[in-house]
Amino acid sequence: KAGVTQTPRYLIKTRGQQVTLSCSPISGHRSVSWYQQTPGQGLQFLFEYFSETQRNKGNFPGRFSGRQFSNSRSEMNVSTLELGDSALYLCASSLAPSALYQETQYFGPGTRLLVL
Amino acid sequence: AQSVTQLDSQVPVFEEAPVELRCNYSSSVSVYLFWYVQYPNQGLQLLLKYLSGSTLVESINGFEAEFNKSQTSFHLRKPSVHISDTAEYFCAVSERGSQGNLIFGKGTKLSVKP
Repeated sequence: KAGVTQTPRYLIKTRGQQVTLSCSPISGHRSVSWYQQTPGQGLQFLFEYFSETQRNKGNFPGRFSGRQFSNSRSEMNVSTLELGDSALYLCASSLAPSALYQETQYFGPGTRLLVL
Repeated sequence: AQSVTQLDSQVPVFEEAPVELRCNYSSSVSVYLFWYVQYPNQGLQLLLKYLSGSTLVESINGFEAEFNKSQTSFHLRKPSVHISDTAEYFCAVSERGSQGNLIFGKGTKLSVKP
């Protein structure tokens, strides 16, 4: 069974631009979570989607948004990019919402975003 | 609020030596605990997890961790490390009954030298 895939793997943008990252979960998984990883802040939760609905959101500004499609694929969007948004963005999928069933989250390789 | 502390940011060790990576958490409710490993330029891989039952959990590659409720700890151990164990290790916690998102520690870089 294929793992979690994320595209693109690397991305360079300039301040003020917007970016969209894509995540395809493991086949059969319906829950997708997004995390931001930076050297200073470590791994921080962004949001979780299940059945096309956002179930949970971390402490990030409104510039960070996401959505989930009917096939469980998810996208996250960052508008008006800032230098501090440079990070590795990780997507994780699970069978069901982790809160309800404590399903293990499986992570993708990440998208490395550099904002210049 | 829940938090995770990994006391050592870097742990250098020689091959075949034992290693312990420390993890302490803070929470007012029961928790689920996880260790993830991240190899260079890769995503996170689940190493082992504690959900309930036996407090000692093991991974397939020789790591083990023990949940200690009184000390709010979940230290990761391996009796004999290999060069291939060189990676960054993250401890994570999720509170029972919460929204379920993982709270991660800052990570510990394990460097195994020949």
